Amino acid sequence: DGGITQSPKYLFRKEGQNVTLSCEQNLNHDAMYWYRQDPGQGLRLIYYSQIVNDFQKGDIAEGYSVSREKKESFPLTVTSAQKNPTAFYLCASSMDRFGDTQYFGPGTRLTVL
Amino acid sequence: KNEVEQSPQNLTAQEGEFITINCSYSVGISALHWLQQHPGGGIVSLFMLSSGKKKHGRLIATINIQEKHSSLHITASHPRDSAVYICAVKETSGSRLTFGEGTQLTVNP
Repeated sequence: DGGITQSPKYLFRKEGQNVTLSCEQNLNHDAMYWYRQDPGQGLRLIYYSQIVNDFQKGDIAEGYSVSREKKESFPLTVTSAQKNPTAFYLCASSMDRFGDTQYFGPGTRLTVL
Repeated sequence: KNEVEQSPQNLTAQEGEFITINCSYSVGISALHWLQQHPGGGIVSLFMLSSGKKKHGRLIATINIQEKHSSLHITASHPRDSAVYICAVKETSGSRLTFGEGTQLTVNP
């Protein structure tokens, strides 16, 4: 089946550790996105990539890093520099950079202890 | 002030009621999206609008570009409609989406 997968569903890490969240899509989409969702707030864009080997910072990129070495994969690393990493992280993709319809993954809930 | 405002933040209804969720925005847009997020967290796209009205089953979405306002209606609501409904806009100046905070809908049997 075509879609976007994120793993794991729940992730626990100790403070000060880097952690990488996986996002894979088999929709042959060019553009991919990472969002953060906190209670009472709308989704906020962390990073996005419009094409392989290229990515741009979103509104809240500090403390995060990404790579886009393959079209189908867009992993997000939450570094120890991120001051409040506990959140729900959503990955999305769209056919092209115009992002008219974005398809979302199931999300990863990260808890930093 | 957020660029995208939704109201109400929380809505509780009885099964069968007609429901309206509102979205207002302050920027020029090329499209507006309505999304549904279930308790597990997954998000699905319901509608993409640039003008007028769209209908899918019991869901109806309308947009008034001049007034910068959109509404999502649910007719004959059912407990399985319980979810967070999110409005998002794509500004004419860019390719990114800006999201509202969401409306938590609970439909009681």
